[in-house]
Amino acid sequence: GQQVMQIPQYQHVQEGEDFTTYCNSSTTLSNIQWYKQRPGGHPVFLIQLVKSGEVKKQKRLTFQFGEAKKNSSLHITATQTTDVGTYFCAGSSGDFGNEKLTFGTGTRLTIIP
Amino acid sequence: DAGVIQSPRHEVTEMGQEVTLRCKPISGHNSLFWYRQTMMRGLELLIYFNNNVPIDDSGMPEDRFSAKMPNASFSTLKIQPSEPRDSAVYFCASSLWISGNTIYFGEGSWLTVV
Repeated sequence: GQQVMQIPQYQHVQEGEDFTTYCNSSTTLSNIQWYKQRPGGHPVFLIQLVKSGEVKKQKRLTFQFGEAKKNSSLHITATQTTDVGTYFCAGSSGDFGNEKLTFGTGTRLTIIP
Repeated sequence: DAGVIQSPRHEVTEMGQEVTLRCKPISGHNSLFWYRQTMMRGLELLIYFNNNVPIDDSGMPEDRFSAKMPNASFSTLKIQPSEPRDSAVYFCASSLWISGNTIYFGEGSWLTVV
């Protein structure tokens, strides 16, 4: 079955440093989504990427979808304490109307003030 | 606009007892998902429904777990009998299937089995 792996599993950064998490799928994806889960909270949708090589930005967050549509990355510039949480990618594959969404293993980000 | 509503938010129960978790999806969404999250296993998909019909229950750990969706606005996940290893956060989520599978999660039911 489809597997979606994320690295690193954990990342501790000093406030103000950059952070990147990488997502790799065993199969080609139709789209990829990113979610953020704050400590004690629930996953919240951030963004969806659909096109090969697509790049999207949300303020300090930059999301990329690989050319082969099998990998993706999330980069945060100048982290802040509000960025603390676990970031999940979720890859979708399958025929239209019968897609299956598989969540990655997540990267837990902690910020040292 | 109400999101996905789950109950109870927290439950502590004794081993062997029956546990029923409830979910009301976002109105108009036709797909509903049950996830389990633990430190060891991360976020696991247990089962999902499309138009109230179970599509994939391959993630349900064993026969002690069952899920139903009697109508478009209500679903239950039942564990009988419960065991300590079932302790986890159980998330219900819903989506409008056609819109690219963006999933909206409830706040979760925190289950502790002692």
